[in-house]
Amino acid sequence: GDSVTQMEGPVTLSEEAFLTINCTYTATGYPSLFWYVQYPGEGLQLLLKATKADDKGSNKGFEATYRKETTSFHLEKGSVQVSDSAVYFCALSYTDKLIFGTGTRLQVFP
Amino acid sequence: DSGVTQTPKHLITATGQRVTLRCSPRSGDLSVYWYQQSLDQGLQFLIQYYNGEERAKGNILERFSAQQFPDLHSELNLSSLELGDSALYFCASSVGGLAGVKGQFFGPGTRLTVL
Repeated sequence: GDSVTQMEGPVTLSEEAFLTINCTYTATGYPSLFWYVQYPGEGLQLLLKATKADDKGSNKGFEATYRKETTSFHLEKGSVQVSDSAVYFCALSYTDKLIFGTGTRLQVFP
Repeated sequence: DSGVTQTPKHLITATGQRVTLRCSPRSGDLSVYWYQQSLDQGLQFLIQYYNGEERAKGNILERFSAQQFPDLHSELNLSSLELGDSALYFCASSVGGLAGVKGQFFGPGTRLTVL
């Protein structure tokens, strides 16, 4: 069945470092892809999305490109801040249902 | 603020009890989803309602049930509670049929503790 695989966390970085969180998916068709972020004590927030191959989603300095050839949607940010510390979830969807990865915790230290 | 509201924020109860969690979707959203988030199971999809009708079922236990009312708010009922039901319960909403394009919008969650 369809699934999403994320890199294990936690990812620990110093402030202003470059961030990559890997996400790969298995799907029978051509889903939309999402990144959600969960800050401590809060619900999930939609961070960015891409609905077709080669689309790039971007928001708040984060970017991810929908790569059909490698079935990937890696999250990147050029310079992380302490305030980016959170859990990041990759997800795919065809219609109404979202399939989430297990989440990757990011810890950024000053 | 996503526009999705959930009450209560925290709930502490005992094993064997029954609780009801409430969710109000964003204005205009017809679909409501319920998720359970625990440390060992991650984020698990429980059930979806669309305009009052059950649309999809996930890993929802028989002890759990949900409904969506004519005003589109939804309630998740958890009965015969066990220690393992302690978790964060999230509600999300979306414009019906378009979650795959526009995404789902999550509420702040209800933290359930079963003692």
